[in-house]
Amino acid sequence: DAGVTQSPTHLIKTRGQQVTLRCSPKSGHDTVSWYQQALGQGPQFIFQYYEEEERQRGNFPDRFSGHQFPNYSSELNVNALLLGDSALYLCASSLPQLRWGYTFGSGTRLTVV
Amino acid sequence: AQSVAQPEDQVNVAEGNPLTVKCTYSVSGNPYLFWYVQYPNRGLQFLLKYITGDNLVKGSYGFEAEFNKSQTSFHLKKPSALVSDSALYFCAVRDMDTGRRALTFGSGTRLQVQP
Repeated sequence: DAGVTQSPTHLIKTRGQQVTLRCSPKSGHDTVSWYQQALGQGPQFIFQYYEEEERQRGNFPDRFSGHQFPNYSSELNVNALLLGDSALYLCASSLPQLRWGYTFGSGTRLTVV
Repeated sequence: AQSVAQPEDQVNVAEGNPLTVKCTYSVSGNPYLFWYVQYPNRGLQFLLKYITGDNLVKGSYGFEAEFNKSQTSFHLKKPSALVSDSALYFCAVRDMDTGRRALTFGSGTRLQVQP
């Protein structure tokens, strides 16, 4: 049973560049959420996608955008990268019925230099 | 607004002794509560959750947690700690009664189990 798959695992970018991170949800899950985990902190909610639409958004600027495809996979895009965007980006998949919980991927470690 | 507090940055315990990692929460409505564990350079692994029902929830790897509505707490416990339990533990909450879909996490507690 495949869990949540994220790619790439590590990434180094320069300030001002743009980056795209990818997530394939757990088999059978149709909802994808993205979280940012800065070093030494708990994950912070970025946004959630369901039925190819952004359903809710956390306190992140418009430089952060996303997409969900018909096969439920998702992308997180960050434009005009800042040093402060360096973090572990986690994808979580779930079903609308919350009783089944969330499954997290191993994350993408983004370093902005 | 929903929030989670993990008052201890680190918990130290000897192998074989019981362990407790504390968590208190705040939500407007009824809570969904979760515990996750994170090993170095890895994502979050699910331990257990409280949705409704029994206040004592049993999870993976021998962990359990007790939901206490009056104290708004959801402490993680294990009767006998293992060295391999050493990791970073996160408590998270979601409000069951609002339209919010996000999990709110605590700042994490590092568990160190000494042999």
